Amino acid sequence: EDKVVQSPLSLVVHEGDTVTLNCSYEVTNFRSLLWYKQEKKAPTFLFMLTSSGIEKKSGRLSSILDKKELFSILNITATQTGDSAVYLCAVGAGGTSYGKLTFGQGTILTVHP
Amino acid sequence: SAVISQKPSRDICQRGTSLTIQCQVDSQVTMMFWYRQQPGQSLTLIATANQGSEATYESGFVIDKFPISRPNLTFSTLTVSNMSPEDSSIYLCSVGLAGGSVYEQYFGPGTRLTVT
Repeated sequence: EDKVVQSPLSLVVHEGDTVTLNCSYEVTNFRSLLWYKQEKKAPTFLFMLTSSGIEKKSGRLSSILDKKELFSILNITATQTGDSAVYLCAVGAGGTSYGKLTFGQGTILTVHP
Repeated sequence: SAVISQKPSRDICQRGTSLTIQCQVDSQVTMMFWYRQQPGQSLTLIATANQGSEATYESGFVIDKFPISRPNLTFSTLTVSNMSPEDSSIYLCSVGLAGGSVYEQYFGPGTRLTVT
């Protein structure tokens, strides 16, 4: 069974700090790894990483994928209170699971002023 | 991305009743999915909504409990049938955009369901 594990489960920092969120996975027929930000109900897409794109950056957020070691990290630099949210890692598989995303349990990030 | 809407945004229902949730997208998409997020938990895929054919359900989810329709490329419904308090969750639809990767999924705003 496909498995996605995130760490830490929660994190409390102050504005300006840099944080690193971790995601490890065990998936048959890996296709892609995605990061989402969830503030209320709907997850918001951040990044998708695949074999052809193992590093992504957008503003203060960046992510890398290590396909050999089966993990990904999401970095947020110069954190702001608006970064407070649950960050979800998900992995997409092919074959009979085509299109399916398996989610990790999420990391709750709290940024204090 | 696309504009995805869901109706209702929230509802409180009595056990034994059914609720139908609608998901509408403003552009054509390749695939539509329905997820559930139980309180304090992460997202779990219920089924893939296939246009013009039966949905494909994940292990632990059955058509009698969660019937799904997808009459066209931009619209789908999920019904939660014979509800019990354990069905209290956020229900989310997601879509893979035409021309993009099916894995790059965008989510609707969600429906928060409380069953009493």
